[in-house]
Amino acid sequence: DGGITQSPKYLFRKEGQNVTLSCEQNLNHDAMYWYRQDPGQGLRLIYYSQIVNDFQKGDIAEGYSVSREKKESFPLTVTSAQKNPTAFYLCASSKGVTGRGYTFGSGTRLTVV
Amino acid sequence: AQSVTQPDIHITVSEGASLELRCNYSYGATPYLFWYVQSPGQGLQLLLKYFSGDTLVQGIKGFEAEFKRSQSSFNLRKPSVHWSDAAEYFCAVVKAGGTSYGKLTFGQGTILTVHP
Repeated sequence: DGGITQSPKYLFRKEGQNVTLSCEQNLNHDAMYWYRQDPGQGLRLIYYSQIVNDFQKGDIAEGYSVSREKKESFPLTVTSAQKNPTAFYLCASSKGVTGRGYTFGSGTRLTVV
Repeated sequence: AQSVTQPDIHITVSEGASLELRCNYSYGATPYLFWYVQSPGQGLQLLLKYFSGDTLVQGIKGFEAEFKRSQSSFNLRKPSVHWSDAAEYFCAVVKAGGTSYGKLTFGQGTILTVHP
């Protein structure tokens, strides 16, 4: 079955380190998104990409970076510049950009130790 | 900028009781509207969505939602809650049409607790 795979499920990072979260989809979806979830704040958009080799900043892009070298992959790097990285990160994809349908991964919980 | 408000952070109901979760949005035009459910540590599951047409939409697990344009609301309802419905619920909107790049805007979420 098609879907979105996020790995790892749990990730621990020391302060000052960069870490990369993986997101892979086999749905042949064009657009991919990264959201950050904190308690009581809902989900906030970090980055999104409509096509390969192109991506745009979302509402809270500072301290994060992404790449889109392949249609099926959209990794997120949490850099040392992100001051409060402990959160739950969700990846999503959609067939187009009309806003009609999304698929979410199961998430990665990042903890700074 | 568009925004979504879920006024209730936490709701507690008894099993078998009815449920209504509120959602209000602020936007210049009617957006596409969604309700998602999330169990702890999991991703989001789509309950239902509204694009156009009949303002009462049916979803999975016995949920329904009613779009009221005059009130900019899209409230989620269920006639009889089951213990397995305990979870966090998110309302989300996206600009209808092709220029929004499909960016979903989420409410803050409502945590539902179900008492036996």
